[in-house]
Amino acid sequence: EAGVAQSPRYKIIEKRQSVAFWCNPISGHATLYWYQQILGQGPKLLIQFQNNGVVDDSQLPKDRFSAERLKGVDSTLKIQPAKLEDSAVYLCASSLDWGSEQYFGPGTRLTVT
Amino acid sequence: AQSVTQLDSQVPVFEEAPVELRCNYSSSVSVYLFWYVQYPNQGLQLLLKYLSGSTLVESINGFEAEFNKSQTSFHLRKPSVHISDTAEYFCAVRTYSGAGSYQLTFGKGTKLSVIP
Repeated sequence: EAGVAQSPRYKIIEKRQSVAFWCNPISGHATLYWYQQILGQGPKLLIQFQNNGVVDDSQLPKDRFSAERLKGVDSTLKIQPAKLEDSAVYLCASSLDWGSEQYFGPGTRLTVT
Repeated sequence: AQSVTQLDSQVPVFEEAPVELRCNYSSSVSVYLFWYVQYPNQGLQLLLKYLSGSTLVESINGFEAEFNKSQTSFHLRKPSVHISDTAEYFCAVRTYSGAGSYQLTFGKGTKLSVIP
């Protein structure tokens, strides 16, 4: 069974630029999560989708971050404009349903200069 | 609000020695507890979990953790470590946040370095 796929794996941008990350969850998984992992800290949930609907986005900085999961399968996370403090690894995870075990992708490492 | 404290940011240990990675949590409600492992340049992998039942849980590669409700702890132990155990370990607590949403709150992680 294929795992959670993410691209790109690495991205370097200048502050005030835009960036987008892509995630393809495990086939059949209804729930999708985006986490932000800043160096030296544990992952922090940004947003959770159940199929194509948002369940929890309470920790998403909505003035600059947006995410969508239009067909209930893959998802994109966008930052516009980026700030220096957005430098982090962005992890995508999926689970069969909202109470099931989460499986994580390899992450996208973003560096904002 | 729930929180997770991992008391050690780095733990060096010699190969074949025992190790304990400490984790304490705070929550006023029932919790589910997890340990995840992250190898370099990889995503997090579930190592073991406590949902209910026996307070001692084991993984397939020799790690174990014991849920201690009175001390609000979920320490991870292994009696004899191997070079391949070098990784970062994250303790996490899952609580129900409402509206069909469980939230995982992670600790800051402990980097385990196994010295040959």
